[in-house]
Amino acid sequence: AQTVTQSQPEMSVQEAETVTLSCTYDTSENNYYLFWYKQPPSRQMILVIRQEAYKQQNATENRFSVNFQKAAKSFSLKISDSQLGDTAMYFCALFEGGSEKLVFGKGMKLTVNP
Amino acid sequence: GAGVSQTPSNKVTEKGKYVELRCDPISGHTALYWYRQSLGQGPEFLIYFQGTGAADDSGLPNDRFFAVRPEGSVSTLKIQRTERGDSAVYLCASSLSGRVPIETQYFGPGTRLLVL
Repeated sequence: AQTVTQSQPEMSVQEAETVTLSCTYDTSENNYYLFWYKQPPSRQMILVIRQEAYKQQNATENRFSVNFQKAAKSFSLKISDSQLGDTAMYFCALFEGGSEKLVFGKGMKLTVNP
Repeated sequence: GAGVSQTPSNKVTEKGKYVELRCDPISGHTALYWYRQSLGQGPEFLIYFQGTGAADDSGLPNDRFFAVRPEGSVSTLKIQRTERGDSAVYLCASSLSGRVPIETQYFGPGTRLLVL
């Protein structure tokens, strides 16, 4: 069964600093995709970054990058130069190639302080 | 429209009542998903449509829940005989085709349902 675990319920960071959010997952598939979504108080889930499991190179999107450790089934998100607008819930999610659904972790509340 | 829209934004109902939640996906997206997000949890899959048909409804918790997408665009999630445990945010997402290689799912703002 697919599972996604986010063990840190909450973190805070000072503006302009770097923070890393952790995520581990379990799947028996070789073809899968991993995502980080951000959910601000407006409730809308916004895609932050995605990673295809078959790609060895870690994905990057501007200030956001991932550390994808396939053997360890770990998928952490690094946010550089944190901004106040990064304050939100962050969800790690897994999509197996043979299924039709995203499986989410419980989420982590990130607060960026001025 | 520019994004996925959901109506109503908030819905308060009494236990035992019937509710309908509407999702309007991004124009041209054939894949549509419903998720339920309980307080303090991540979203949980309910049902997936490819066009007009429900390709996977394995996440629907029981037969009080039903969803339709009659013309392959707008979808309605229907909940009969609501219970207090149905209180949650119901999220809708759409993607271009839903087929691999997987495309990003774009989410709406959700409907917050409160059953008193």
